[in-house]
Amino acid sequence: AQSVTQLGSHVSVSEGALVLLRCNYSSSVPPYLFWYVQYPNQGLQLLLKYTSAATLVKGINGFEAEFKKSETSFHLTKPSAHMSDAAEYFCAVTISSGGYQKVTFGTGTKLQVIP
Amino acid sequence: NAGVTQTPKFRVLKTGQSMTLLCAQDMNHEYMYWYRQDPGMGLRLIHYSVGEGTTAKGEVPDGYNVSRLKKQNFLLGLESAAPSQTSVYFCASSLLRGPTTEAFFGQGTRLTVV
Repeated sequence: AQSVTQLGSHVSVSEGALVLLRCNYSSSVPPYLFWYVQYPNQGLQLLLKYTSAATLVKGINGFEAEFKKSETSFHLTKPSAHMSDAAEYFCAVTISSGGYQKVTFGTGTKLQVIP
Repeated sequence: NAGVTQTPKFRVLKTGQSMTLLCAQDMNHEYMYWYRQDPGMGLRLIHYSVGEGTTAKGEVPDGYNVSRLKKQNFLLGLESAAPSQTSVYFCASSLLRGPTTEAFFGQGTRLTVV
């Protein structure tokens, strides 16, 4: 069975500070990992995804994530937070199961950016 | 492009009432999904479909039914609403291409059952 753990349901950073959102996964087969962002009153949209091509993945809006197999982690980072980054972020793991893609989402981390 | 469109966006039901949530996608995607989002629990899969005329249960299917009569539409029905079904419901779709394919989400339906 696969699972995703996001450490910290709420994270606060100052504008201009480093953003670090943590995600650890568990999977019995090679995983495919995603980060989605949800702005207030909107649906989820893809931020970036890991598909085994490169361990450091760059996404939209200056975000990036590094896949570390030894640590079973896929943490999301951004060097300098902007007010517009305030949103909820979801890590997800996908595996192929029974002919379809089974997606498991983490419980989400709300990012607050303080001026 | 519209992408994934959900209707309605908001709804208040009384316990025992029924309703149908409609999801429509214009991307010719094979897969469609219904999730519910509750605080602190992330997204949980209710039902999904791998193509027109097919449906399957997700992890929290009880109290819900679905239908996919047309490829572009995926309907979620509540036959007898309960307060425990108060939630935000999201529809999503994706191509039939395996686990690296991203899902595209609608903007959600906020349902309150009183």
